[in-house]
Amino acid sequence: KQEVTQIPAALSVPEGENLVLNCSFTDSAIYNLQWFRQDPGKGLTSLLLIQSSQREQTSGRLNASLDKSSGRSTLYIAASQPGDSATYLCAVFGAKDSSYKLIFGSGTRLLVRP
Amino acid sequence: NAGVTQTPKFQVLKTGQSMTLQCAQDMNHNSMYWYRQDPGMGLRLIYYSASEGTTDKGEVPNGYNVSRLNKREFSLRLESAAPSQTSVYFCASRADIDRVGSGANVLTFGAGSRLTVL
Repeated sequence: KQEVTQIPAALSVPEGENLVLNCSFTDSAIYNLQWFRQDPGKGLTSLLLIQSSQREQTSGRLNASLDKSSGRSTLYIAASQPGDSATYLCAVFGAKDSSYKLIFGSGTRLLVRP
Repeated sequence: NAGVTQTPKFQVLKTGQSMTLQCAQDMNHNSMYWYRQDPGMGLRLIYYSASEGTTDKGEVPNGYNVSRLNKREFSLRLESAAPSQTSVYFCASRADIDRVGSGANVLTFGAGSRLTVL
């Protein structure tokens, strides 16, 4: 059974800092991995999607990497801003049983202090 | 440009009452999903529908039923609500898992439905 873990659960950094959020998964047979952002009381917004054949994806100040063999992904946020404060979730899409299930981690709650 | 629309946004029920959460997407997506989100538990898959006419159980299906009414709509029904079903419910959709690289694999979420069962 696929399990997804995100560490740390919460993070507080001063504005301008570069930071890394971690996501690990137990079964490396994945189709893709997706990073989401969730603001309090809101739905989830997709940030980046990495296919299993890719090593990384970039969008603006965000860079996500994927190491399937070690079961890890990182989300790198450059030059953090207070507007980046939110909960960040990763989710993996399993390839084994074609069941189309996306399994989520519990998220990292990020606070960027002005 | 609606995307995924969920109704209602808020609902309060008494134990034992029934209700249906509605979800509709206008992106011609094949797959649709229902998740629940609880503090400290992340998002857990309740049911999903890989295509029109099919539905399958996720991680936490007990106490719920679903209907994929057509390609656009996927409803979630609570037949006899329990306090343990107090949660925020999210509907999501995806275009087509086999269309690699087209952005079709991106999961698009609705804004959520906050349900309280007293």
